[in-house]
Amino acid sequence: QQQVKQSPQSLIVQKGGISIINCAYENTAFDYFPWYQQFPGKGPALLIAIRPDVSEKKEGRFTISFNKSAKQFSLHIMDSQPGDSATYFCAASMTSGYSTLTFGKGTMLLVSP
Amino acid sequence: NAGVMQNPRHLVRRRGQEARLRCSPMKGHSHVYWYRQLPEEGLKFMVYLQKENIIDESGMPKERFSAEFPKEGPSILRIQQVVRGDSAAYFCASSLIESANTGELFFGEGSRLTVL
Repeated sequence: QQQVKQSPQSLIVQKGGISIINCAYENTAFDYFPWYQQFPGKGPALLIAIRPDVSEKKEGRFTISFNKSAKQFSLHIMDSQPGDSATYFCAASMTSGYSTLTFGKGTMLLVSP
Repeated sequence: NAGVMQNPRHLVRRRGQEARLRCSPMKGHSHVYWYRQLPEEGLKFMVYLQKENIIDESGMPKERFSAEFPKEGPSILRIQQVVRGDSAAYFCASSLIESANTGELFFGEGSRLTVL
């Protein structure tokens, strides 16, 4: 059973455009939602994270929007740049007890020049 | 300040051989996690360890796979009698505190296992 569903699988955006990646989760006990960025041949790196007590978090060109009732959250990359081309993973976990991150399957983003 | 170090970066094994993957966490980190990445499958949790203890191994196959994080030295993920389906990238991550508790996971660059 996949607990975090991510879409789209791949995405092509023109330079300067907005990239939008969506995730949905099933477990209502999840209360920590990070996004990781992975470049080819490298390990994933934390990009931005949100908790369900806020509906939006912005860091530079990256914004997470969170909809608790719909159990969905999304990553928006404003003014997308070729250097943003990477694979993006959403994840979720619980902050009580021992809990590990459950990742989505990833979205391969290509920003064309 | 070195990050999470994994070695080997690439490993080729024939079916039936053993694979040993090593992970040295970031300095001061005592929590280690192993994830497996298959093409188009994302990152699958395998095991979570603290020094000398396995905390959660719910994602690890019951047979042929084992993990340890001794008091001294790196964490080791061991795969016995490898099969072609074990071919994947194996990522190690470390954290200061449990990942769920606002702790950020720091990933290594992965070990890519190819089974011939």
